[in-house]
Amino acid sequence: SQQGEEDPQALSIQEGENATMNCSYKTSINNLQWYRQNSGRGLVHLILIRSNEREKHSGRLRVTLDTSKKSSSLLITASRAADTASYFCATDLNRDDKIIFGKGTRLHILP
Amino acid sequence: DAGITQSPRHKVTETGTPVTLRCHQTENHRYMYWYRQDPGHGLRLIHYSYGVKDTDKGEVSDGYSVSRSKTEDFLLTLESATSSQTSVYFCAIALAGGSGELFFGEGSRLTVL
Repeated sequence: SQQGEEDPQALSIQEGENATMNCSYKTSINNLQWYRQNSGRGLVHLILIRSNEREKHSGRLRVTLDTSKKSSSLLITASRAADTASYFCATDLNRDDKIIFGKGTRLHILP
Repeated sequence: DAGITQSPRHKVTETGTPVTLRCHQTENHRYMYWYRQDPGHGLRLIHYSYGVKDTDKGEVSDGYSVSRSKTEDFLLTLESATSSQTSVYFCAIALAGGSGELFFGEGSRLTVL
C-alpha cells in the first residue's frame, strides 16, 4: 500500500478561487513534499516542509503539516489556468531514503 | 542546474525481450531513483541508489533490476519484459541528499506488446 494518499482525487474550480488538496500518510517522516505534474511531463518540486514545521509559504502556495494526524494540506490561492495539473505529495518512508508518492489530485481550473 | 537525460524516451518491445532504460545526470548527486507511473496508481518507487554500487528495493521491484557502476548513470533493466510493465518510467535525483527535493527527468514511455 502507498504511504501517501491525496484527497480529493479530482477537483474543478473557477479561476480566481482557492484550491485545497489534502494528503494523509502512515509512518513517521522527516519531511513531506508537494510536486506538480503537467500532462505528459516530469514532476516539478513545489515545496518541502520538515516534520518540525507546521506551515510554510511559497508565493501563492501554503502548506500545512500536522504530524499528530499524519496529514498535510496544500492551498493554492487565486488559482490560474496554468495551475491546471496533477499534484502529488511525497514522504520518506519511516524516515528512510525511500521517497514514496501518493496517487495525486487532478486539479482543473475553469475559465 | 541539475540535468537528467533519460534514454530511450520511447520504446516499443515484445513480451519476453530484455529492456534497459538509462538515466544520466550531469552532476554528482548521490541519490537516484526510478519510478513508474500508471493511471490510478500515481508514482511507485521501483529501486533507488544511494551511491555507486549501492542500491535498494522500492515498492514494486519484482521483475526489475538496477545497476550503478558510476555516479552519473543509473540503469533500470527489465530482464524479460511483460505487458504489465508497460508504463512511463521516471528517473529522479535528490538534490540535497536522501529524503530531500527530487529533480525529475522527462520520462521514458515503454510499451510491451
